[in-house]
Amino acid sequence: NAGVTQTPKFRILKIGQSMTLQCTQDMNHNYMYWYRQDPGMGLKLIYYSVGAGITDKGEVPNGYNVSRSTTEDFPLRLELAAPSQTSVYFCASSYKGLTEAFFGQGTRLTVV
Amino acid sequence: AQSVTQPDIHITVSEGASLELRCNYSYGATPYLFWYVQSPGQGLQLLLKYFSGDTLVQGIKGFEAEFKRSQSSFNLRKPSVHWSDAAEYFCAVGRNSGGGADGLTFGKGTHLIIQP
Repeated sequence: NAGVTQTPKFRILKIGQSMTLQCTQDMNHNYMYWYRQDPGMGLKLIYYSVGAGITDKGEVPNGYNVSRSTTEDFPLRLELAAPSQTSVYFCASSYKGLTEAFFGQGTRLTVV
Repeated sequence: AQSVTQPDIHITVSEGASLELRCNYSYGATPYLFWYVQSPGQGLQLLLKYFSGDTLVQGIKGFEAEFKRSQSSFNLRKPSVHWSDAAEYFCAVGRNSGGGADGLTFGKGTHLIIQP
């Protein structure tokens, strides 16, 4: 059982570059989430999706975009990378909000 | 807006000793509360959750937590810690819908250090 898979695990970007963080889950979960984790700050929600074709902003969406064309995939797009986006990014999924959320291993992104 | 406070940034406990990690929440309605653990370089794993009913909930790895509405608290406890419990612990509450359908609000975390 793969669960929630994130790629890449590590990435260094230059300011102004763009990239897509990939997230896929094989549990047929409807709900998917993107969080960022900064040292000493806990996790903050960037975007979430309650099903294919439906996405909504979380607490810190600026500078990011998402799409949900399939149940399995929920990519996070950074268009113009900035040093403030240096963080560890976690994708998570759940069958429905009231149940356990399963987290990926994270993507450590550095913007220089 | 809902919020979660974990007052202790670091806690050091001797192996075999008991543990209590504090969590206070601010939420207008009945909260849906969670404790997650994060080992170094790993994602988060759910330890336990509270939605309703018995205010003492049991989780995995021998952890338990008690919901106290009067104190707006949801403290995590373990009677005897093991070296493998060293990790970062996060308390969380459902953002708006309560159940977490629109994501969770996390505390800043407590780093647990186990002394031999």
